[in-house]
Amino acid sequence: SQTIHQWPATLVQPVGSPLSLECTVEGTSNPNLYWYRQAAGRGLQLLFYSVGIGQISSEVPQNLSASRPQDRQFILSSKKLLLSDSGFYLCASSGYNEQFFGPGTRLTVL
Amino acid sequence: DQQVKQNSPSLSVQEGRISILNCDYTNSMFDYFLWYKKYPAEGPTFLISISSIKDKNEDGRFTVFLNKSAKHLSLHIVPSQPGDSAVYFCAASATGSNYKLTFGKGTLLTVNP
Repeated sequence: SQTIHQWPATLVQPVGSPLSLECTVEGTSNPNLYWYRQAAGRGLQLLFYSVGIGQISSEVPQNLSASRPQDRQFILSSKKLLLSDSGFYLCASSGYNEQFFGPGTRLTVL
Repeated sequence: DQQVKQNSPSLSVQEGRISILNCDYTNSMFDYFLWYKKYPAEGPTFLISISSIKDKNEDGRFTVFLNKSAKHLSLHIVPSQPGDSAVYFCAASATGSNYKLTFGKGTLLTVNP
């Protein structure tokens, strides 16, 4: 089965600072990749997905962007963080019928 | 516009009894449904799924029921164990959507010893 790595595990950043979260996948090739955010008291919201290198689809307008420079690497970025960007960020990779999730990154913007 | 709804934010049951978690959806294009279990500060783990061509799928203590006409599914856990205490997310996808999942807000299940 797949293994999804995310780092860092936790991050505290000031408002206006840049962001880069990285996700790498092992155990599969050419997966669909996804970024989700879980805000406090809410469900998982799909932010971006990618069906291949350099191919990014955005699900909701926001202050974030995503990139896929390699087949099994997915990066979530921001040039200037907002308070509302705080949350738990999860990377996922497609399996046969389900998605496999990474351990997540807890981002706190102060 | 929430397409997948879990109307019970929390559920508390006694060890050994049945836990029933409910989920409703509005998008008739959804044809595959999944349940995930999530512990705090961890990623969700896949539990069980069901295709719209079935109305029941069973895996050990976990059974998912699908009622397409009511656009409703439920997860039954029997017998419930304290280790089952977690947040359970219902998710749905539609064929041709690049396997994108739409999640409900989750139900916190607490199983008391």
